[in-house]
Amino acid sequence: DTEVTQTPKHLVMGMTNKKSLKCEQHMGHRAMYWYKQKAKKPPELMFVYSYEKLSINESVPSRFSPECPNSSLLNLHLHALQPEDSALYLCASSQGGASTEAFFGQGTRLTVV
Amino acid sequence: GDSVTQMEGPVTLSEEAFLTINCTYTATGYPSLFWYVQYPGEGLQLLLKATKADDKGSNKGFEATYRKETTSFHLEKGSVQVSDSAVYFCALRGYTKLVFGAGTILRVKS
Repeated sequence: DTEVTQTPKHLVMGMTNKKSLKCEQHMGHRAMYWYKQKAKKPPELMFVYSYEKLSINESVPSRFSPECPNSSLLNLHLHALQPEDSALYLCASSQGGASTEAFFGQGTRLTVV
Repeated sequence: GDSVTQMEGPVTLSEEAFLTINCTYTATGYPSLFWYVQYPGEGLQLLLKATKADDKGSNKGFEATYRKETTSFHLEKGSVQVSDSAVYFCALRGYTKLVFGAGTILRVKS
């Protein structure tokens, strides 16, 4: 099983709402990632968790709050977002190490209204 | 820092044409190299990879060879199909993260 599952697939939220994106993998990978992708652009790294600890935060605004409850799950909590935060949010996982590839989920298409 | 440069698109081809998408990289050391594909409305899928110089990655008729001397990892396919229409991203594994190129849109006409 090389699957990373993200829910929901689509999300529309107002600027005062609080919502969460969820990601799950059962490949035993020890590194998990959140990326943001705008239309016609490559994914931009937001956060990296390694062995359930936050190892990289790419200077992401605090209205995005990641959480890694266990080695299979990754959440992204959203609060007080702006319309410019509308994008495709991708979760990925990898075994770790310099040669390993990342496996991506299908993404959550987020629209902030 | 590490970087990846891809040829700009869109690339428009007729079915059964030969495909080349150029990719060059700048990195310290000898990174692993990847091609990812993104179909409309979907996430990224790993297409192929190479982990050391002269390695050839291949999958679904696509190939790319890790060329250290030219710091390149060009993607090729001998005969494209309409179903290959997608965005293709070249990437390298840096010390802590994947570094992506800008992506190349491929459109295949029947």
